[in-house]
Amino acid sequence: DTGVSQDPRHKITKRGQNVTFRCDPISEHNRLYWYRQTLGQGPEFLTYFQNEAQLEKSRLLSDRFSAERPKGSFSTLEIQRTEQGDSAMYLCASSRNPGDRDFGPGTRLLVL
Amino acid sequence: SQQGEEDPQALSIQEGENATMNCSYKTSINNLQWYRQNSGRGLVHLILIRSNEREKHSGRLRVTLDTSKKSSSLLITASRAADTASYFCATALSTDSWGKLQFGAGTQVVVTP
Repeated sequence: DTGVSQDPRHKITKRGQNVTFRCDPISEHNRLYWYRQTLGQGPEFLTYFQNEAQLEKSRLLSDRFSAERPKGSFSTLEIQRTEQGDSAMYLCASSRNPGDRDFGPGTRLLVL
Repeated sequence: SQQGEEDPQALSIQEGENATMNCSYKTSINNLQWYRQNSGRGLVHLILIRSNEREKHSGRLRVTLDTSKKSSSLLITASRAADTASYFCATALSTDSWGKLQFGAGTQVVVTP
């Protein structure tokens, strides 16, 4: 296993379009996390899953955002009707125990 | 809002020097972690220190934790140009160690040859 992977690595879209990102965690990790990071800031928590159950959602995750992990393996994060303020790096992480988080390389989104 | 705050925001040093950065947080924690992020890349886990630990070492890294002051420090000894990166502290709450990590805004470290 080569670690957490994210696809795409970069996405440019026009305001109002929908985008979907994918995260493939490390296979034996049952916890999966999504974060958003804007320039010059630390990552901000969005949501996390234990297997297929979404256990917590941040207030940052507006109605336009939805995340799924249908089979407890990969996860998708969809943003509907994108806005310029959605431009950020979207980071996924997975975990096998409470102490660690293995982060993926991120998907950089630019909304024009 | 972000739980941790790093200090300084930026640090510029020469190779061979030590780099020290600090992190303060607000609520009771289960553990505190430090991560490194190279420009435009994902985060790399460096070290974790639990709330009942006071100091931890990993290679050239030394982390201290003072729960009474709600603060931690990361020391990088004998810095190298490859240490140039942003460093973030992140806390896991005592009530939810499995849950979200709360990150600070980071310290940007530049090591010049």
